[in-house]
Amino acid sequence: RKEVEQDPGPFNVPEGATVAFNCTYSNSASQSFFWYRQDCRKEPKLLMSVYSSGNEDGRFTAQLNRASQYISLLIRDSKLSDSATYLCVVNMYSGGGADGLTFGKGTHLIIQP
Amino acid sequence: EAGVAQSPRYKIIEKRQSVAFWCNPISGHATLYWYQQILGQGPKLLIQFQNNGVVDDSQLPKDRFSAERLKGVDSTLKIQPAKLEDSAVYLCASRRGTSGSNEQFFGPGTRLTVL
Repeated sequence: RKEVEQDPGPFNVPEGATVAFNCTYSNSASQSFFWYRQDCRKEPKLLMSVYSSGNEDGRFTAQLNRASQYISLLIRDSKLSDSATYLCVVNMYSGGGADGLTFGKGTHLIIQP
Repeated sequence: EAGVAQSPRYKIIEKRQSVAFWCNPISGHATLYWYQQILGQGPKLLIQFQNNGVVDDSQLPKDRFSAERLKGVDSTLKIQPAKLEDSAVYLCASRRGTSGSNEQFFGPGTRLTVL
């Protein structure tokens, strides 16, 4: 079983629509959770952190369900500029300071005019 | 503030050749990471440094990959000899502190093609 699983898509969504992505993670000891955005041939950039209480940043809402080991991202009123790959990321802090990120394969989103 | 710098941006080599990549993290960032991103996959951690010490190299193929960060600033990643399956983007990332709460910032990557 992969450590972080997400639907690779692509998701083709009309501009203005709401779209939701999900991912699941296998390691219950994971401690931090993130969504990263990666544009074509660019480096990943942090979109937002994810908390059990849920958090919102403008049109973006992220939610963590620790019991189900499930992370979600909701994008409202989607824009053409939201077209990108969205990477689900978990972090497990190991002894000695090891804290490299574990990434899913990414979900490819295409917003259509 | 300047971001993470990497060079070269692109490299094409033949299998069994050697190659080296360079990373200059954001000034003052103590922690540095190298990730490998194969086409269609998410990045995979290869090695993590805190200052000039290795914290985690459990996923580094040590028979052919090596990395160093001698003065706790710049880092180099080397592949010797390269295989076809090493074709990927090699991403360097840095983080300010030595605890996990700060954001990791990624460089633009080095795109390696092994023929």
